[in-house]
Amino acid sequence: GENVEQHPSTLSVQEGDSAVIKCTYSDSASNYFPWYKQELGKRPQLIIDIRSNVGEKKDQRIAVTLNKTAKHFSLHITETQPEDSAVYFCAASRGEYGNKLVFGAGTILRVKS
Amino acid sequence: NAGVTQTPKFQVLKTGQSMTLQCAQDMNHEYMSWYRQDPGMGLRLIHYSVGAGITDQGEVPNGYNVSRSTTEDFPLRLLSAAPSQTSVYFCASSYRGLITYEQYFGPGTRLTVT
Repeated sequence: GENVEQHPSTLSVQEGDSAVIKCTYSDSASNYFPWYKQELGKRPQLIIDIRSNVGEKKDQRIAVTLNKTAKHFSLHITETQPEDSAVYFCAASRGEYGNKLVFGAGTILRVKS
Repeated sequence: NAGVTQTPKFQVLKTGQSMTLQCAQDMNHEYMSWYRQDPGMGLRLIHYSVGAGITDQGEVPNGYNVSRSTTEDFPLRLLSAAPSQTSVYFCASSYRGLITYEQYFGPGTRLTVT
């Protein structure tokens, strides 16, 4: 089955710097790659996603890149702010419905002001 | 819209007891899923459903049952609770959009098995 590895497990950056989180997946048939943000004690919320027919997607300060050949995808956050501090999860799905997600273990992002 | 709701918020069980975690959504979403979240392991899929009357197993289905008699409800049953089932349980719903397959998560149920 699918296996998703996520690095780093923790990341500390200074406010205003960029943060990059990387994930690799094992199943070449995976075709949908979302990123979720989870604040302490809260539910995960989607921040950006990408399908396998797209190489890059951007939404304001957040971007995701996908390299299908290498089977890895990355989350880029620019101009980080203290409210970006949270746990970020990547996931991959090969299902037609995109709901059979396999998640990475998560990255704790701390933005220091 | 209430979105995805889960009850109870907290639960303590003794080993061997059974219980049902409730999940409901009012967005008319076709797809519903149950995940468990353990420290350092992300979220793992337990069971999922692509519509009323249709369910299937995820990564970690052992010890859990589900049913989907209506579009709105997707309860998760623990048959005989074990300490290894101590976790936070999230229910999620989604639809097959044109661009995104966003999953909407409920607030979670924190379960402790002693």
